[in-house]
Amino acid sequence: SQELEQSPQSLIVQEGKNLTINCTSSKTLYGLYWYKQKYGEGLIFLMMLQKGGEEKSHEKITAKLDEKKQQSSLHITASQPSHAGIYLCGATPGAGSYQLTFGKGTKLSVIP
Amino acid sequence: GAVVSQHPSWVICKSGTSVKIECRSLDFQATTMFWYRQFPKQSLMLMATSNEGSKATYEQGVEKDKFLINHASLTLSTLTVTSAHPEDSSFYICSAREDRGPYSNQPQHFGDGTRLSIL
Repeated sequence: SQELEQSPQSLIVQEGKNLTINCTSSKTLYGLYWYKQKYGEGLIFLMMLQKGGEEKSHEKITAKLDEKKQQSSLHITASQPSHAGIYLCGATPGAGSYQLTFGKGTKLSVIP
Repeated sequence: GAVVSQHPSWVICKSGTSVKIECRSLDFQATTMFWYRQFPKQSLMLMATSNEGSKATYEQGVEKDKFLINHASLTLSTLTVTSAHPEDSSFYICSAREDRGPYSNQPQHFGDGTRLSIL
């Protein structure tokens, strides 16, 4: 089965600082998804990556998938308190398979 | 777009009660929906895949008779926790995948979750 390892497990940054969260897979990824969750709430879809070397940005968040499709990073520029939450990467194993396997999450705290 | 509504958001009930949780895709059709369980400070654990018009597919270790899933329409799946006991207390989240063909890599869109507390 596919396993996703996220690092770091938790992160505390000062407002305005940049940060990066990593997600590493034990197998080649078919689809890689980034979500954000606030404790006790649902998940908010951020971005989906599918192609090796792909990079997507939305506002101050950029996600990349490496060429080998086994590692993804999520980069936040000039962090704000609104970025605080738990970031989860999820992956589908192959075409036609919709089930997501999630990493354990990275808890981000942003200090004003 | 792509909104998933989950209801109720919070349930407190006595041991032995059955509890039904609804998951609706509001602005898209979803042949496939998913039910997850999340323990405090842990990631999501997939319980079952709900398929419209057919039986749900349960993950290993999940009791089919305890967690009944019905996916009667393209916009609604329900999870019924039967004869709930305190150990069933948890945060349950559903997700729905928009129908755009079997090999279209669409993201799952999640409901806001249901916090279930069994006394």
